[in-house]
Amino acid sequence: EVLLVESGGGLVQPGRSLRLSCTTSAFSFGDYPLSWFRQAPGQGLQWVGLIRNKDYGAITQYAASVKGRFIISRDDSKSVAYLQMNSLKTEDTAVYYCSRAGQQFPPFWYFDMWGRGTLVTVSS
Amino acid sequence: QSALTQPASVSGSPGQSITISCTGTTNDVGAYNYVSWYQQHPGKAPRLLIYDVTIRPSGVSPRFSGSKSGNTASLTISGLQPEDEGDYYCCSYTTSSTLVFGGGTELTVL
Repeated sequence: EVLLVESGGGLVQPGRSLRLSCTTSAFSFGDYPLSWFRQAPGQGLQWVGLIRNKDYGAITQYAASVKGRFIISRDDSKSVAYLQMNSLKTEDTAVYYCSRAGQQFPPFWYFDMWGRGTLVTVSS
Repeated sequence: QSALTQPASVSGSPGQSITISCTGTTNDVGAYNYVSWYQQHPGKAPRLLIYDVTIRPSGVSPRFSGSKSGNTASLTISGLQPEDEGDYYCCSYTTSSTLVFGGGTELTVL
């Protein structure tokens, strides 16, 4: 069974940093693009960013709201993806989900496997 | 990038059909056939229902179908069942190489 498990969430003060991990199993991690999404309490889904697989240069793309503050990376040897969140704002408070793209090659703009999410609360 | 426009809520009786619309612009829904739909139950992760406007992943009931006309995509659920209750989100790739979601539609099965 394909699994994605997010970890690293918690309470953090505005302006500080936090790193989330997405640990995966049961699929060829290095072959797939991965994305991070978030959902603020009681709100809808929002795309955060994506990292392509190495065959496509492991290029990253980000939503405008997090570009320059968040960094997505991957360690294919460990089957883990990361979301480094810097200069956090109260509006970054949300459940953060990692997700696997539905196919290995472009266009891969749909996501068929999701983790259960981890809550990040930004508050003083 | 503004969110796609979905109705806040829809409802239907068991066995009926409902359609959820998702209106965007020529920069997202109208630009590509990269519209997807997700179902989310309270406290759960989203589940992919439709991708590339009309394609249903394996394991998704044929009661779910997608379509698109111009800048508006639609999700139709036929033969409504109680377990269909939940939130539904459309999502589109954009000309800015980003993804944008609709605000979500809450489906109530009466």
